[in-house]
Amino acid sequence: GQQLNQSPQSMFIQEGEDVSMNCTSSSIFNTWLWYKQDPGEGPVLLIALYKAGELTSNGRLTAQFGITRKDSFLNISASIPSDVGIYFCAGQLGAAGGTSYGKLTFGQGTILTVHP
Amino acid sequence: KAGVTQTPRYLIKTRGQQVTLSCSPISGHRSVSWYQQTPGQGLQFLFEYFSETQRNKGNFPGRFSGRQFSNSRSEMNVSTLELGDSALYLCASSLSGTVGELFFGEGSRLTVL
Repeated sequence: GQQLNQSPQSMFIQEGEDVSMNCTSSSIFNTWLWYKQDPGEGPVLLIALYKAGELTSNGRLTAQFGITRKDSFLNISASIPSDVGIYFCAGQLGAAGGTSYGKLTFGQGTILTVHP
Repeated sequence: KAGVTQTPRYLIKTRGQQVTLSCSPISGHRSVSWYQQTPGQGLQFLFEYFSETQRNKGNFPGRFSGRQFSNSRSEMNVSTLELGDSALYLCASSLSGTVGELFFGEGSRLTVL
C-alpha cells in the first residue's frame, strides 16, 4: 500500500543530543500527524499539524507542516532515555472527495535509540 | 477520560478459523478506524465506521469485515484465517473521522498458526 517516505530509518544517539526526522510524499495532505509507538503498544499522538507552514511545539518536540503540503519534519531537543521508540509520521487528506474518512497514510517509522 | 480499549490483547488461532476483535472508542467519539500493523507492510488502513455505517475501506480482501454498534463500539472479523493475517490490529477513534487527531488503542496481537 501507499506509504510516506520517512527518514532516517533508525538513529542511535547519545542522551542530550537533538534529533531530526522527516517525511515526504508525492501527494499533498491536509493534516500531518506524528506518533510514537513503544513495543507492544499502540501509537500515541505527539503533535498534529493542520496548516501549511505551521510550526507546533509540544515540550521538547517541534514539528512543521511543509509549505508544499507534501512534507513534514519532527525535531526532538535534548533527548532523554524515555524518548526511545518508533516514531511515525502520518498524513491525512480529510474529507476530500469523501474517500478519506478515518484514513491515515503512515511512514515506515524511525527507530530511535538513546544511549545514556 | 478513558482511552480506546481493545479486547482481547493477545490471541492465537489456527489457519481456517475466524476471529472477532472488539474496540470501545473514547467517549463522545463517533468514528472508529481499524489498522493492521506488520513488520513488512507497516500500518495499513482497513476500514472506518461512523454512526454504524462503513464510510471507507482499504485494500483488504472480503475476509476482513467490521461493524459498528449504536454506542459507537466496533468489532472487526477475519474469516478463514491465513498465516499472513498474523499482525497487530489497531483501533483508532476520533470525533468525526474527517479531520483531526486519531487516538489509538493498544491493539490486539493475533498470531495464526
